[in-house]
Amino acid sequence: NAGVTQTPKFRILKIGQSMTLQCTQDMNHNYMYWYRQDPGMGLKLIYYSVGAGITDKGEVPNGYNVSRSTTEDFPLRLELAAPSQTSVYFCASSYQKNEKLFFGSGTQLSVL
Amino acid sequence: AQRVTQPEKLLSVFKGAPVELKCNYSYSGSPELFWYVQYSRQRLQLLLRHISRESIKGFTADLNKGETSFHLKKPFAQEEDSAMYYCALSGGANNLFFGTGTRLTVIP
Repeated sequence: NAGVTQTPKFRILKIGQSMTLQCTQDMNHNYMYWYRQDPGMGLKLIYYSVGAGITDKGEVPNGYNVSRSTTEDFPLRLELAAPSQTSVYFCASSYQKNEKLFFGSGTQLSVL
Repeated sequence: AQRVTQPEKLLSVFKGAPVELKCNYSYSGSPELFWYVQYSRQRLQLLLRHISRESIKGFTADLNKGETSFHLKKPFAQEEDSAMYYCALSGGANNLFFGTGTRLTVIP
């Protein structure tokens, strides 16, 4: 089991560029989440999904989009990158709501 | 509003000394509380949850609803306990609210 796999690990974007952060899990989990962590802050929920075809906004969704076409994959899309989106992004999954979350290794994103 | 407060960003203790990482929460309903840990070069992982009332790696945490606290304790700190610790609150929604974390350093 690979668990939760995130790519890329690092990325530098220019303002206005777009990119997709990939997240896949092989544990057949229903719930998947995207968090961001700014320096010195806690993790904040961007979007989550309770199953294929179902997504919903979290605490800080502005500037992001997600899709969940399969149980395994939950990509996060940044359409017009802004410096405020410089952060570390974590994908996570769980079998049930708020049960033990399994985290990916994180993506360090810088927008310059 | 739901909030988790970890008042100490940094905490250093000597090996063998007791350790307590503080966590206070704000939530009007029945909370579910968790401690997550991130060791150096490893992923964030669940350490324990209050509903399980278990001890993991010698750590325990008791939910005190009167003081709205969920402090993490260990009687004798080990060097391998050095890590970043996050307290998290589930308020019933599909969301975990995380504190800002405490970096624990155990001095040999």
